[in-house]
Amino acid sequence: EAQVTQNPRYLITVTGKKLTVTCSQNMNHEYMSWYRQDPGLGLRQIYYSMNVEVTDKGDVPEGYKVSRKEKRNFPLILESPSPNQTSLYFCASRRSGGANTGELFFGEGSRLTVL
Amino acid sequence: GESVGLHLPTLSVQEGDNSIINCAYSNSASDYFIWYKQESGKGPQFIIDIRSNMDKRQGQRVTVLLNKTVKHLSLQIAATQPGDSAVYFCAENLRPGGSYIPTFGRGTSLIVHP
Repeated sequence: EAQVTQNPRYLITVTGKKLTVTCSQNMNHEYMSWYRQDPGLGLRQIYYSMNVEVTDKGDVPEGYKVSRKEKRNFPLILESPSPNQTSLYFCASRRSGGANTGELFFGEGSRLTVL
Repeated sequence: GESVGLHLPTLSVQEGDNSIINCAYSNSASDYFIWYKQESGKGPQFIIDIRSNMDKRQGQRVTVLLNKTVKHLSLQIAATQPGDSAVYFCAENLRPGGSYIPTFGRGTSLIVHP
């Protein structure tokens, strides 16, 4: 089954304790992206990656890091989480170029609470 | 004290009615638009898309209309069903380097009453 898998789905942590949210897709997609979703603000892009070893900042990258060492994985790293990073996070992927429709495939979301 | 947050626009309809969800986009250079549906507890899912060289596109029970003059997009859902209850997002797409970069709207909550 084609899917985007995020882990953990739920996490409560404390300020300053480094954490990583993993994202994996099995569709051989070149493009991957992270979003955060906050009440009334819609989906805001944190970082995106056009392909392996190519990453770029989105609209709200502060406090986050990403890496793209393999095509299928795109982890989101919070080196020193703060309470304002409490949010619902989504990973998404899609094909690039050619017959690219632009359709994003989203994971189920990771709800993070930073105390 | 009472906290004040941002509230999603909400559309309430009766089952069987037609629904129209609107979206204003910001960039006149956007040339591709997508509507997503997000059910409670899930990630957004693709519904329908439209390119800027079209002004209407129809799917199964859904129609998207594009008015580039006023930068407006709408999603029409025919014979709305309780399963259509969800938050709906429009996404405008720019293609600065040949690959689409989406920007999402805030979303509209659709509530369907049986």
